[in-house]
Amino acid sequence: GAVVSQHPSWVICKSGTSVKIECRSLDFQATTMFWYRQFPKQSLMLMATSNEGSKATYEQGVEKDKFLINHASLTLSTLTVTSAHPEDSSFYICSASGQGHSPLHFGNGTRLTVT
Amino acid sequence: AQSVAQPEDQVNVAEGNPLTVKCTYSVSGNPYLFWYVQYPNRGLQFLLKYITGDNLVKGSYGFEAEFNKSQTSFHLKKPSALVSDSALYFCAVSLSPASNTGKLIFGQGTTLQVKP
Repeated sequence: GAVVSQHPSWVICKSGTSVKIECRSLDFQATTMFWYRQFPKQSLMLMATSNEGSKATYEQGVEKDKFLINHASLTLSTLTVTSAHPEDSSFYICSASGQGHSPLHFGNGTRLTVT
Repeated sequence: AQSVAQPEDQVNVAEGNPLTVKCTYSVSGNPYLFWYVQYPNRGLQFLLKYITGDNLVKGSYGFEAEFNKSQTSFHLKKPSALVSDSALYFCAVSLSPASNTGKLIFGQGTTLQVKP
């Protein structure tokens, strides 16, 4: 079945540094990828929709200059958390879909801790 | 606006008993409904979806869900629960059957605890 690989699975960084998270579709071409944020024991909040070759579409309240998204190819989207602060600590999950009525496939998530 | 509600934060069942995880939705058009399961520190795994056709949808791991338009519900069910079914379950809705063109709106999640 379709596999989405997300890397790293966890990262600890110091306040003020930037962190890049990668999301790859391993056996299909993903024209669209989605980035979600999940707080403990809460639902997934959609942050942005990433379209290959074009700018990402951000949800209301999400700072596009802080959460940089690049979708340079049909198999890779990256989320960069710039100048991270402790309040950015969270579980970030990407998802991807190919063509047609295929369901979204999710990566295993990245646990970000900013100290 | 689209919304999904999962009225129970947690559901507890004994192994071997049937389980139900509830979901209701609110959309302005035809709903496309999904169930996902999440294990600790992992992403979401797709269980099943309703696009059109039979109201009873069968999915992975013996789960099924029934689409009820009059009650705007899409409850997840399994005839006989396993301890390994213990996880966090999310109901989601989209206005597009092709989820790559439509955003998924998730419910708040329900923790299923199956006790031996």
